[in-house]
Amino acid sequence: EAGVVQSPRYKIIEKKQPVAFWCNPISGHNTLYWYLQNLGQGPELLIRYENEEAVDDSQLPKDRFSAERLKGVDSTLKIQPAELGDSAVYLCASSPGLPPQTQYFGPGTRLLVL
Amino acid sequence: QQQVKQSPQSLIVQKGGISIINCAYENTAFDYFPWYQQFPGKGPALLIAIRPDVSEKKEGRFTISFNKSAKQFSLHIMDSQPGDSATYFCAAIHSNYQLIWGAGTKLIIKP
Repeated sequence: EAGVVQSPRYKIIEKKQPVAFWCNPISGHNTLYWYLQNLGQGPELLIRYENEEAVDDSQLPKDRFSAERLKGVDSTLKIQPAELGDSAVYLCASSPGLPPQTQYFGPGTRLLVL
Repeated sequence: QQQVKQSPQSLIVQKGGISIINCAYENTAFDYFPWYQQFPGKGPALLIAIRPDVSEKKEGRFTISFNKSAKQFSLHIMDSQPGDSATYFCAAIHSNYQLIWGAGTKLIIKP
């Protein structure tokens, strides 16, 4: 069974530029999560989807971040415009939608904003 | 009350020794406690998990000990190997599926 797939793995952009990350969850997993992880810290939840519905986006900085999961499978996270402080690893995770909702993580996209 | 406190922040263990990482929580609504292992440049990977109605769970060299009354749980890595060098996160899952993370422990196994 394939794991969570993310692309790109690395991205370097200039500040104020837009950037997008893509995630394909494990097949059959209804719940999808986007996290931000700074070096040496644990992941911080940005948004959680149940199928195509964003059920928890309270931690998503909506002035510059947006996300979508149009058909309830793949998801895209976008930042526009990017700021220096957005440099981090962006992790996607998925879970099967049933308790205990164990989350399985992708390899992450490492973003560097110059 | 939503926090999971993890210690130590870093740990150095000789090859063949026992690595012990401790976590504590306050919220009794937590009902599932996974441990994640993360290597540099990789996403966190589920290592082992336990429910609060079980006092111990063992998978190979990895054991979770759970003390419900004390609201503490710990990860023990027996016969620690250099390949176990990684950052370990304890976590707790709330009944609304929110995953609360510990701060992480950077484990180094010296050969």
